[in-house]
Amino acid sequence: AQKITQTQPGMFVQEKEAVTLDCTYDTSDQSYGLFWYKQPSSGEMIFLIYQGSYDEQNATEGRYSLNFQKARKSANLVISASQLGDSAMYFCAMRESEGQGFSFIFGKGTRLLVKP
Amino acid sequence: DTGVSQNPRHKITKRGQNVTFRCDPISEHNRLYWYRQTLGQGPEFLTYFQNEAQLEKSRLLSDRFSAERPKGSFSTLEIQRTEQGDSAMYLCASSSSNRGPIQPQHFGDGTRLSIL
Repeated sequence: AQKITQTQPGMFVQEKEAVTLDCTYDTSDQSYGLFWYKQPSSGEMIFLIYQGSYDEQNATEGRYSLNFQKARKSANLVISASQLGDSAMYFCAMRESEGQGFSFIFGKGTRLLVKP
Repeated sequence: DTGVSQNPRHKITKRGQNVTFRCDPISEHNRLYWYRQTLGQGPEFLTYFQNEAQLEKSRLLSDRFSAERPKGSFSTLEIQRTEQGDSAMYLCASSSSNRGPIQPQHFGDGTRLSIL
């Protein structure tokens, strides 16, 4: 079974509108972290936002917010006021804390295209 | 903070040759990770160091792959007897454990390996 599922291979959004990118995860651990990364066409992976499993409030970083629904095991990324520069691949990732060992798993990504 | 640096950016080699990549993490980061990313996929975890100790290796990491971090600073990833399937982008990331067990990783620009 996939640990991280991103069901939207591609998304379009009009410039200045908000968009939600879906991510569901599967873990039996109580302590874990969820991350979103952006990968523009140039290839670098850019960290956007982090949510810890014990964090009670949804994480926010500027125009990015994470809609964390623990019971549903979902961690959707919301980008407000989309900009042309937001066009990129977006990856959801999870780190499970297992003592010294861990697993860090990425989803397959969602390609976002912002239209002018 | 000069970011994570990877060299070379591109490597083209013939099947059967050995290749070595280098990663210089962010200087105050004690954790270093290697990933492999193929076209249209998210990064796949390969291995992880905390300081000079290699704490985790993925099942994806065959015995042709070896990684070192001898002084707990830079790391090298060597692939011996390269195969066509090794063609991919190899990403390095680093993070700090000093602010808690689950911290975001900062990625380098990657080394793109092409096997002829």
